[in-house]
Amino acid sequence: EVHLVQSGAEVKKPGESLRISCKVSGYTFSNSWITWVRQVPGRGLEWMGRVDPYDSDTTYSPSFEGHITMSVDTSINTAYLQWRSLKASDTAIYYCARHLHWFDPWGQGTLVTVSS
Amino acid sequence: EIVLTQSPATLSLSPGERATLSCRASQSVSTFLAWYQQKPGQSPRLLIYDASERASGIPARFSGSGSGTDFTLTISSLEPEDFATYYCQQRGDWLLTFGGGTKVEIK
Repeated sequence: EVHLVQSGAEVKKPGESLRISCKVSGYTFSNSWITWVRQVPGRGLEWMGRVDPYDSDTTYSPSFEGHITMSVDTSINTAYLQWRSLKASDTAIYYCARHLHWFDPWGQGTLVTVSS
Repeated sequence: EIVLTQSPATLSLSPGERATLSCRASQSVSTFLAWYQQKPGQSPRLLIYDASERASGIPARFSGSGSGTDFTLTISSLEPEDFATYYCQQRGDWLLTFGGGTKVEIK
């Protein structure tokens, strides 16, 4: 069975850096992209971009490009989403999902809170 | 960017009733459209892909239809566990987008 398990909730200050993770199991990691989706509490879903574990190729939504970095470590079947300098507006739940044409399944989500 | 507009924003129905949710695209996405269900405190779950194909394990009461710019998700007879928010999503363009969601609530 395919599982995506994300790292735990984070509380950070504006300007701090952060990396959250998404560990996959149940399939060959390099065979499917990993997509990341943001959800501000009480709001809808926003596609942030995707990473190809096969060659680390990335595609970012223009809304997020330049502010985030997606990466993978194939030795431990893990994908990462990283910020160099967080803003208060980054407060949200972040989901990873296996991306094989569509998003299925999804991780449980990581709540990131950015507050001074 | 392809904009997906979902309507209505909220649908108030009783268990056993039929639910009809709409998703309209700002330009054609062929049949490259999916529907996801999200319950409070949970991750989204894929229901329908390629506009009309049910994902694995999804009950037959869920069905999808449409092509081009107009799509519909139908729940033939609402079960208590179906009260949730539903999102459409397109992959007709490299920039993937979601609709704003339709909340199906108990009347």
